[in-house]
Amino acid sequence: NAGVMQNPRHLVRRRGQEARLRCSPMKGHSHVYWYRQLPEEGLKFMVYLQKENIIDESGMPKERFSAEFPKEGPSILRIQQVVRGDSAAYFCASSPPRTNSEQYFGPGTRLTVT
Amino acid sequence: QKEVEQNSGPLSVPEGAIASLNCTYSDRGSQSFFWYRQYSGKSPELIMSIYSNGDKEDGRFTAQLNKASQYVSLLIRDSQPSDSATYLCAGGNQAGTALIFGKGTTLSVSS
Repeated sequence: NAGVMQNPRHLVRRRGQEARLRCSPMKGHSHVYWYRQLPEEGLKFMVYLQKENIIDESGMPKERFSAEFPKEGPSILRIQQVVRGDSAAYFCASSPPRTNSEQYFGPGTRLTVT
Repeated sequence: QKEVEQNSGPLSVPEGAIASLNCTYSDRGSQSFFWYRQYSGKSPELIMSIYSNGDKEDGRFTAQLNKASQYVSLLIRDSQPSDSATYLCAGGNQAGTALIFGKGTTLSVSS
């Protein structure tokens, strides 16, 4: 499977727990982006990462959210102390190593906070 | 706040007709524009990218960009029921580090 991979596809967490979402980019892509889609709202940019570097985190909430893309392994979006308002679809996209290039999306992780 | 605006629809067309989807953007610094298709419960799928003024054709799809008017459009010829989906317009930010999405236009193609 040469596409963007995300896991888990569905994640249920109780309020106050931590959520970890994983993303492996498409083969040959080294840039990863995270977006969030709330019900009845559009896709919103969260963060853009390259290996071991956060390039643009202007869309990340200031608290409880963090992201990393280590030298080895997938990119991880971490949400600490989840609240009901965090329930959403979280999509990862990847692109080749150049700006303004096409982004290809993974299947997403549907997070439900109970 | 940089924005991308789309008519939410629904846009209804009969099978075989041309569907026309429109989008405006506020950031004059945007250099790249994209159309994605999203089926209910699925992830966005890239249909077209366009970087220069004018038309770009790919099969049944034609994207049009007018930077002076800050306007992007997508034409779908010979529309099929399988084209029924939400179409998302996106523009790259000035730095090229993120996509700014519109809320999408729902297209319904009736057979």
